[in-house]
Amino acid sequence: KAGVTQTPRYLIKTRGQQVTLSCSPISGHRSVSWYQQTPGQGLQFLFEYFSETQRNKGNFPGRFSGRQFSNSRSEMNVSTLELGDSALYLCASSLTGTSSYNEQFFGPGTRLTVL
Amino acid sequence: AQSVAQPEDQVNVAEGNPLTVKCTYSVSGNPYLFWYVQYPNRGLQFLLKYITGDNLVKGSYGFEAEFNKSQTSFHLKKPSALVSDSALYFCAVRDDGGGFKTIFGAGTRLFVKA
Repeated sequence: KAGVTQTPRYLIKTRGQQVTLSCSPISGHRSVSWYQQTPGQGLQFLFEYFSETQRNKGNFPGRFSGRQFSNSRSEMNVSTLELGDSALYLCASSLTGTSSYNEQFFGPGTRLTVL
Repeated sequence: AQSVAQPEDQVNVAEGNPLTVKCTYSVSGNPYLFWYVQYPNRGLQFLLKYITGDNLVKGSYGFEAEFNKSQTSFHLKKPSALVSDSALYFCAVRDDGGGFKTIFGAGTRLFVKA
């Protein structure tokens, strides 16, 4: 089975621009979560989607948004980029449906650098 | 609110010695607890999880973790460390109330010296 894939792997943007990151989950997985990883803050939860619905959201400003498509692929968008948005953005998929005890499988991440 | 604490930024052990990476948690309901490992330039990988039942959970690569409800802890252990175990370890928690938000600890970097 193919793992979680994320595109692009690397991005360089300037302040004020917007960016869209893409995630394809493992086949059969309908839950997709997004995280921001930085050296100072660790792994911060952004949001989780299941069957095209956002079920939970972390404490990030509205500039961070996401969506999930009917094939479970997900995108996240960051508008009006700030220097502090530079981070590794990780996507994770799981079999989680109504239960929340399934482990997550992570993609390699997208490294975003904001100049 | 859920929270996870990994009190040690770094743990140093000699190869062949036992290792422990500490984790404490706080949730409103019953916890689902996870350990993940991140090797350099690689994604996070699942190691093990506690859902219910036996307090000692066994996982990948010889790792195990002990759930202690009274101390709200879920420490990761391995009887004999390998140099290849050197990596960044994350503890994570979800609650059993249907919350689909996973909270991760800050991570503990493990160095195993030959």
